[in-house]
Amino acid sequence: AQSVTQLDSQVPVFEEAPVELRCNYSSSVSVYLFWYVQYPNQGLQLLLKYLSGSTLVKGINGFEAEFNKSQTSFHLRKPSVHISDTAEYFCAVRDTNDYKLSFGAGTTVTVRA
Amino acid sequence: DGGITQSPKYLFRKEGQNVTLSCEQNLNHDAMYWYRQDPGQGLRLIYYSQIVNDFQKGDIAEGYSVSREKKESFPLTVTSAQKNPTAFYLCASSTRDRHPSGANVLTFGAGSRLTVL
Repeated sequence: AQSVTQLDSQVPVFEEAPVELRCNYSSSVSVYLFWYVQYPNQGLQLLLKYLSGSTLVKGINGFEAEFNKSQTSFHLRKPSVHISDTAEYFCAVRDTNDYKLSFGAGTTVTVRA
Repeated sequence: DGGITQSPKYLFRKEGQNVTLSCEQNLNHDAMYWYRQDPGQGLRLIYYSQIVNDFQKGDIAEGYSVSREKKESFPLTVTSAQKNPTAFYLCASSTRDRHPSGANVLTFGAGSRLTVL
């Protein structure tokens, strides 16, 4: 079974500053990795995913993430945030041979002017 | 536009009552899922179904029941046996393709917030 740890529960950041959200996972097999975003009282929307190939993955809204197999990490970054990036962000992992997706506890990003 | 519709968006229940949350999708997805979200705990899988008339328990199935009589529909019943039912419930769906090109990326509904009074 796999598990996901998001190392920061809250990340305050000023507008136009960079942000990094940290995610580590544990699994004994190959995995697929995902980042989702959730705006207040809404469902989750896929930001980006790592399936195979290049370890640097680009997603929507200017976000990118890097898969590091040796460190079992999948950190999410954005070079310059906007007020509209205020949301909760979830890292998720799935074994390549399973349907079940495991989520981290989430990181709340608050962007201030 | 294709998507997932959850209803009701907000629901209040008295202790001891069963309630059913609706989830309908028009994405032609085979697989459907129910997650529970609590503050600071992320999403936890309640039940999932890969095909009509078949479903499996997730990590926290106790006190919940589901049915999958139609491909488009996957209702969740929160029974009186669920000790702490107040939460935000999210339904999702995906293809069953496990190949990298598909990797059954989940599409989520907007959620249903259940409050037990």
